Amino acid sequence: DGGITQSPKYLFRKEGQNVTLSCEQNLNHDAMYWYRQDPGQGLRLIYYSQIVNDFQKGDIAEGYSVSREKKESFPLTVTSAQKNPTAFYLCASRRAGQNQPQHFGDGTRLSIL
Amino acid sequence: RKEVEQDPGPFNVPEGATVAFNCTYSNSASQSFFWYRQDCRKEPKLLMSVYSSGNEDGRFTAQLNRASQYISLLIRDSKLSDSATYLCAVKRNNNDMRFGAGTRLTVKP
Repeated sequence: DGGITQSPKYLFRKEGQNVTLSCEQNLNHDAMYWYRQDPGQGLRLIYYSQIVNDFQKGDIAEGYSVSREKKESFPLTVTSAQKNPTAFYLCASRRAGQNQPQHFGDGTRLSIL
Repeated sequence: RKEVEQDPGPFNVPEGATVAFNCTYSNSASQSFFWYRQDCRKEPKLLMSVYSSGNEDGRFTAQLNRASQYISLLIRDSKLSDSATYLCAVKRNNNDMRFGAGTRLTVKP
């Protein structure tokens, strides 16, 4: 089936530890996005990438890093510099074109131990 | 001021009611508009795109008012299964998307 796969579904981070969230899509979409959602809040954009080997910061990029070495993959690293990482992380992708919507993976819940 | 704003609700309506949500956006260069539905602890799922002339999909009608910079979603004949949070999304001309915080709807028997 075509889709966006995020893993793991649940992740726990220790103090001072970096963790990486995986996002893979087989939809041949050009653009990929990472959002963070806190309880009762909307989605806040962390990073996005429109093509391979290129990405841009969103509104809350501090404490996060990404890479886009392959079209189908856009991993997000939550670094130890991110002091409040507990949230629901959503990856999305979209086809190029003005009116193309985003489609989401089923998310990763990150908690701090 | 947030770039995309929605009334957070909650909206509590009886089955069969008609309910409308509004969403305002501040960036006049915004190009594309969408409504998503998000169930509790799940990812958002596309409900419908919003076209300039307005569009309808069954019980759902979406409208865009570029002059006043808002989009709306109308749900007719509400069902229990419509209970969810509804997010509006706005694509800017640099291809990133901004979401509202969502409007929570509960449809009661």
